[in-house]
Amino acid sequence: GAGVSQSPSNKVTEKGKDVELRCDPISGHTALYWYRQSLGQGLEFLIYFQGNSAPDKSGLPSDRFSAERTGGSVSTLTIQRTQQEDSAVYLCAAGWGGDYEQYFGPGTRLTVT
Amino acid sequence: GQQLNQSPQSMFIQEGEDVSMNCTSSSIFNTWLWYKQDPGEGPVLLIALYKAGELTSNGRLTAQFGITRKDSFLNISASIPSDVGIYFCAGSSGGGADGLTFGKGTHLIIQP
Repeated sequence: GAGVSQSPSNKVTEKGKDVELRCDPISGHTALYWYRQSLGQGLEFLIYFQGNSAPDKSGLPSDRFSAERTGGSVSTLTIQRTQQEDSAVYLCAAGWGGDYEQYFGPGTRLTVT
Repeated sequence: GQQLNQSPQSMFIQEGEDVSMNCTSSSIFNTWLWYKQDPGEGPVLLIALYKAGELTSNGRLTAQFGITRKDSFLNISASIPSDVGIYFCAGSSGGGADGLTFGKGTHLIIQP
């Protein structure tokens, strides 16, 4: 597609459940990024993929968070045993890596009840 | 970690006025980016700056990459209602592996 797409757009889940968020980046963009945006805040960087590899996972908030990317394309962010503090908008961005610009998807709004 | 100080936090202006916002950092960035975010949407890239001192325009928007590489500003001339939204600055360094560092945003509100 022309832009970055994310699904679902909204997800409401009960505390303790697992959720999987999906990002489908722009074709040809080798780099993919996940960010989290809490209400009224700026964006917090979570993880970066160059191709299918994530060199550094230290930005993930806890070991309940994991991410993978397959085929140099689609990526999934999984949150296990969700907690209320996980409620936020999760944004995916695509780029060419390096210090180049990034293009964002519309985000997934996650609400943990 | 790196932090960006973005100001002002919010702006209340009249339609037609010019707007100026800026970001400062205690550390150097290789790239400065300015994004606009509307409610329920992801950030949309407005301007990308790659060289210290660079001044770039995109329609009514003008942004500059500070000479020290620690600051950037965004100006909007002759504001119109669709300029309403939250503007974020973002910086990148170290080859991008640490993602972008974002400011907390400037909320622009235009009074009719």
